[in-house]
Amino acid sequence: GDSVTQMEGPVTLSEEAFLTINCTYTATGYPSLFWYVQYPGEGLQLLLKATKADDKGSNKGFEATYRKETTSFHLEKGSVQVSDSAVYFCALNRMDSSYKLIFGSGTRLLVRP
Amino acid sequence: NAGVTQTPKFQVLKTGQSMTLQCAQDMNHEYMSWYRQDPGMGLRLIHYSVGAGITDQGEVPNGYNVSRSTTEDFPLRLLSAAPSQTSVYFCASSYRDRGGYEQYFGPGTRLTVT
Repeated sequence: GDSVTQMEGPVTLSEEAFLTINCTYTATGYPSLFWYVQYPGEGLQLLLKATKADDKGSNKGFEATYRKETTSFHLEKGSVQVSDSAVYFCALNRMDSSYKLIFGSGTRLLVRP
Repeated sequence: NAGVTQTPKFQVLKTGQSMTLQCAQDMNHEYMSWYRQDPGMGLRLIHYSVGAGITDQGEVPNGYNVSRSTTEDFPLRLLSAAPSQTSVYFCASSYRDRGGYEQYFGPGTRLTVT
């Protein structure tokens, strides 16, 4: 079945460091890919998405590129801030089952001043 | 727009008690879903609905019931609470745009079953 695998956390970085959170997926067909962010005590917010191969999603300085050849959707940011500390979830869904998001286990990011 | 709202924010139940988690959306979205979030496991789909009057089971439906009598509301019922149902519950609604479907999440309900 479809699945999403994320790197285990926590990831601890100093402010202004470069961030990469790895995400790979297994799915039939051409899923849409998402990154969601969950700040402490809050629900999930969509951070960015990509719906076809080679699409790049971007938001708030974060980027991720849909790589079908490596079935990956790695999240990157050039310079993290303390306010980026949160849990990041990679997810996918298929166009024929839009109600069903399949999530990775989440990666906690801690950014220190 | 309030978006997706959930009540209550926190709840403590004793084993065997029943309760209903409320979820409402004011965006006229067709699709609504319930997920539970457990440490190290991401979110798992409990039940979903593709429209008023239509519901179906997700990945972990046992012990939960849902109904969708209106587009706006999608309550989740715990029939007889068990400690294994201690979790954070998220409701989501979604719509289709040019890029596919996008889900909007509520703030969550933290449930503890003792």
